[in-house]
Amino acid sequence: DIQMTQSPSSLSASVGDRVTITCRASQDIINYLAWYQQKPGKVPKLLISGASTLQSGVPSRFSGSGSGTDFTLTISSLQPEDVATYYCQKYNGAPQTFGQGTKVEIK
Amino acid sequence: QVQMVQSGAEVKQPGSSVKVSCKASGGSLSTYSVSWVRQAPGQGLEWMGRIIPTIRLVNYAQSFQGRVTITADRSTSTAYMELNNLTFDDTAVYYCARGGFSSGPLDPWGQGTLVTVSS
Repeated sequence: DIQMTQSPSSLSASVGDRVTITCRASQDIINYLAWYQQKPGKVPKLLISGASTLQSGVPSRFSGSGSGTDFTLTISSLQPEDVATYYCQKYNGAPQTFGQGTKVEIK
Repeated sequence: QVQMVQSGAEVKQPGSSVKVSCKASGGSLSTYSVSWVRQAPGQGLEWMGRIIPTIRLVNYAQSFQGRVTITADRSTSTAYMELNNLTFDDTAVYYCARGGFSSGPLDPWGQGTLVTVSS
């Protein structure tokens, strides 16, 4: 099975900072990669699919890039409402494994 | 706009089973799959398995194989997840989510069902 590894597991940054989260697949997944945001006590929310396609209504400060095995989620200017845990997921075939998550906090 | 509506919270004894339902309200599952995702307290998201109702294809994560059964009723656009031989470690929120027919991100998600295993 393909493993998904996220880094870092947590980070603390200031409002306005650029934040980058990486996700690495153990095998080529082309661009079958999604990013989800989960705020405390809430249901996960799809942010990005196809590695780089922003979902409707998601602020443009979020962006995704990468293909093959290496992917990145970037928040260009961190806002207080972005405090959440972010997960990547590969969704081609099965199993559709999640990364272990990255907890983003405000410094 | 389809919504995934799950059944309510459950309290179960160790060794018993739980069956959680997930109805696609306002839409059908004819061209989609339904995945089940578990989140233990303070932990990350764990994909359990999925069903493609139209072709009755089911895939399970290796860690749940043999203990979980995912089914679907196409006539009511409802999917089910049954987990057997519960232990305290199965205490978690269980989510369903709609996915693509063969591949696709998970959206939308159900509201989650808390299953508590307690003696």
